[in-house]
Amino acid sequence: SAVISQKPSRDICQRGTSLTIQCQVDSQVTMMFWYRQQPGQSLTLIATANQGSEATYESGFVIDKFPISRPNLTFSTLTVSNMSPEDSSIYLCSVDVEGSGELFFGEGSRLTVL
Amino acid sequence: DAKTTQPPSMDCAEGRAANLPCNHSTISGNEYVYWYRQIHSQGPQYIIHGLKNNETNEMASLIITEDRKSSTLILPHATLRDTAVYYCIVPYNQGGKLIFGQGTELSVKP
Repeated sequence: SAVISQKPSRDICQRGTSLTIQCQVDSQVTMMFWYRQQPGQSLTLIATANQGSEATYESGFVIDKFPISRPNLTFSTLTVSNMSPEDSSIYLCSVDVEGSGELFFGEGSRLTVL
Repeated sequence: DAKTTQPPSMDCAEGRAANLPCNHSTISGNEYVYWYRQIHSQGPQYIIHGLKNNETNEMASLIITEDRKSSTLILPHATLRDTAVYYCIVPYNQGGKLIFGQGTELSVKP
């Protein structure tokens, strides 16, 4: 298993600003993912955070808008850049501890952009 | 697009078995079926996964048809705390990525 802590748990931001979300895991993991969940919707995969290399982004998501860092096997950050109200969502970090497809999720970071 | 199809919502009486269906007709021979659930305002929680044999753990049972084109998640004695959105997922590739569909919103009623 894995315990995942995300910061901040929630924030209210002004449009045009940027926010960095942190994800800390209590053990070393290979696979780490960032998801977005817009209000009333399912989860959408943003990217796979790769340790020591650039993240792998899904269709519709770009590095300039969602830069991701993964400096080691227990930590990652997701930045939401130049925010607009459409970026208001819950952002979730998840990890696959054993490479089995059993993902553990953080509680999410609820972002509201005014 | 997700590779699975689920009914958007279901109701179940408390104490009864909840049977949640999922169609995955394009599943490949080596692809697993995963089930997750998301209780309101929480992150998703892993429930169970399987390849072709039926699986059971402390949370649920997973029944996969012989042709593997569909499966059913069974909560044997549903409680009010089982009210959640249940996601059936077939991974897209070997990269470990899970793509979530719309899921089934299960309401357990007293």
